[in-house]
Amino acid sequence: GNSVTQMEGPVTLSEEAFLTINCTYTATGYPSLFWYVQYPGEGLQLLLKATKADDKGSNKGFEATYRKETTSFHLEKGSVQVSDSAVYFCALSVDTGGFKTIFGAGTRLFVKA
Amino acid sequence: GAGVSQSPRYKVAKRGQDVALRCDPISGHVSLFWYQQALGQGPEFLTYFQNEAQLDKSGLPSDRFFAERPEGSVSTLKIQRTQQEDSAVYLCASSPGVNQPQHFGDGTRLSIL
Repeated sequence: GNSVTQMEGPVTLSEEAFLTINCTYTATGYPSLFWYVQYPGEGLQLLLKATKADDKGSNKGFEATYRKETTSFHLEKGSVQVSDSAVYFCALSVDTGGFKTIFGAGTRLFVKA
Repeated sequence: GAGVSQSPRYKVAKRGQDVALRCDPISGHVSLFWYQQALGQGPEFLTYFQNEAQLDKSGLPSDRFFAERPEGSVSTLKIQRTQQEDSAVYLCASSPGVNQPQHFGDGTRLSIL
């Protein structure tokens, strides 16, 4: 079946530190991969996406590369800010007749000044 | 422009009561999704509409859950004979078409006493 596994949180970093949040997936077919972010008190919003192998999604200094050989889509940022504190969700969608989206459990990030 | 709007934001009901949750998607969005999000977890897929057609309802946990989108715009998720385990945040999302990034509402937090 289809599933997403991401590293457990919380992750606590100091400002300007390097961030990696690991995400691996299992899927039948050829999934599209997404990272969504939920800032405190706000709804889920798309951060970045990649639709095929070796694609790199990027936005707001965050990047993730679709690695088919390792079935991974790790999220990275070179220098985090306090304003990046949020919950990050890795997700995939596959055309199973409905493009159901499967989310990981989420990783909470705290960035200290 | 207006985003996805959900109402009510909060709903408290006694066990055994029926509830109805409303979702107003972004105008013109073809695809509409409902998710259930338990505390500390990622959203779990419930059902998917393409226009007025319910193409996937495999995530609905029981026959007490029913969703409709009769005119291809507003959608209602109904839960009959509510139980305590139905307590969660119910998220609605819409997208312009198949396999496009989803835009999420702020959710309805349902508490069953």
